[in-house]
Amino acid sequence: AQSVAQPEDQVNVAEGNPLTVKCTYSVSGNPYLFWYVQYPNRGLQFLLKYITGDNLVKGSYGFEAEFNKSQTSFHLKKPSALVSDSALYFCAVRDAFRTGTASKLTFGTGTRLQVTL
Amino acid sequence: GAGVSQSPSNKVTEKGKDVELRCDPISGHTALYWYRQRLGQGLEFLIYFQGNSAPDKSGLPSDRFSAERTGGSVSTLTIQRTQQEDSAVYLCASSLGTAVYEQYFGPGTRLTVT
Repeated sequence: AQSVAQPEDQVNVAEGNPLTVKCTYSVSGNPYLFWYVQYPNRGLQFLLKYITGDNLVKGSYGFEAEFNKSQTSFHLKKPSALVSDSALYFCAVRDAFRTGTASKLTFGTGTRLQVTL
Repeated sequence: GAGVSQSPSNKVTEKGKDVELRCDPISGHTALYWYRQRLGQGLEFLIYFQGNSAPDKSGLPSDRFSAERTGGSVSTLTIQRTQQEDSAVYLCASSLGTAVYEQYFGPGTRLTVT
């Protein structure tokens, strides 16, 4: 079975400081990894994904994530946080070797990012 | 272009009533997903449709929940004999396929069972 862990319920960062939101995963094969963001009273929006290739993936709004196979991690990062980045962030994984309806994403429980002035 | 749309945006119903929630995916997207999100919590997978394959219903919490997808497009999630614990936001998402494609989410339907 595949799973995702987001060990922090909330991350607090001052505006202008770097931020990291942690994610670790477990799959039997190679992973496809995703980050989504949910602003208040909104649906989820796609931020970035890792499929293959470079371990550092760049996405929307200045976010990036680093895939680390040995640590089975895919932490979300941003060099300089903005107050407008405050939202709920979800990491998700699927097993690359599964196809059809066995290929659904498994989401983490989410991490709330709070950026303050 | 148009994104994923869901209706109604809000639904208040009495315990024991049936409700139907609708999802219109992005045109051309073959995969469609339903999730439930309780207040302040993560996403709970409910059901997944992919093309003409049999849906993955492994996330449906009870036999009161069912979903169908007609003509490979619009989907309806039905909850029979609603209970208070069914109160949540129900999110629909679609994607181009199952391979490497990201999911696009609708705004959700907020269901309140009184």
